[in-house]
Amino acid sequence: QKEVEQDPGPLSVPEGAIVSLNCTYSNSAFQYFMWYRQYSRKGPELLMYTYSSGNKEDGRFTAQVDKSSKYISLFIRDSQPSDSATYLCAMSARAGGTSYGKLTFGQGTILTVHP
Amino acid sequence: DAGVTQSPTHLIKTRGQQVTLRCSPKSGHDTVSWYQQALGQGPQFIFQYYEEEERQRGNFPDRFSGHQFPNYSSELNVNALLLGDSALYLCASSAGTGAMSSGNTIYFGEGSWLTVV
Repeated sequence: QKEVEQDPGPLSVPEGAIVSLNCTYSNSAFQYFMWYRQYSRKGPELLMYTYSSGNKEDGRFTAQVDKSSKYISLFIRDSQPSDSATYLCAMSARAGGTSYGKLTFGQGTILTVHP
Repeated sequence: DAGVTQSPTHLIKTRGQQVTLRCSPKSGHDTVSWYQQALGQGPQFIFQYYEEEERQRGNFPDRFSGHQFPNYSSELNVNALLLGDSALYLCASSAGTGAMSSGNTIYFGEGSWLTVV
């Protein structure tokens, strides 16, 4: 079983829809939770960062973390064609000597928003 | 403010050859990690360098080695290349001992595409 599970999709939605992306994990040591967006053949771009449980909102994006259920979500409101990309969840536990240990990623969900 | 820069962007190597990839971290960052991303997969952690030492290592063979220089830049070396090493190699940087906040997060470069033929 993988430490982080993410439905690879693909997910196709009409412009303006609300998109829900999810990941589950098994390692209870994870404390830091991130969502990255990756356009084709590009490096991942940080979208949202959350520490421990709770919600965080940034514009059209909302990240939720439920540590008791080991479940994280990213919601995209009023989705746009420019949101079409692969969305990766990533998690980390603190490591001695540095602020971050390794990031463990999900497989990524391919999202297409069509006009 | 330059972000994470990697070179080369694309390269083609033959099985058995060796390759060196380079990374300069974002300004103010002193920790560099390397990831391998195969097509259709999420990035997989290779190793992390801080204070010129390898601090953590993922499940990769000894053919994968690295180095961090005093200016915090880093190299990833892969020896005896296999076809399965074909992937996007990503460098990520962060501040090693900075306070945990949204301002101290991990940023990725655009990656180096390696094709082994």
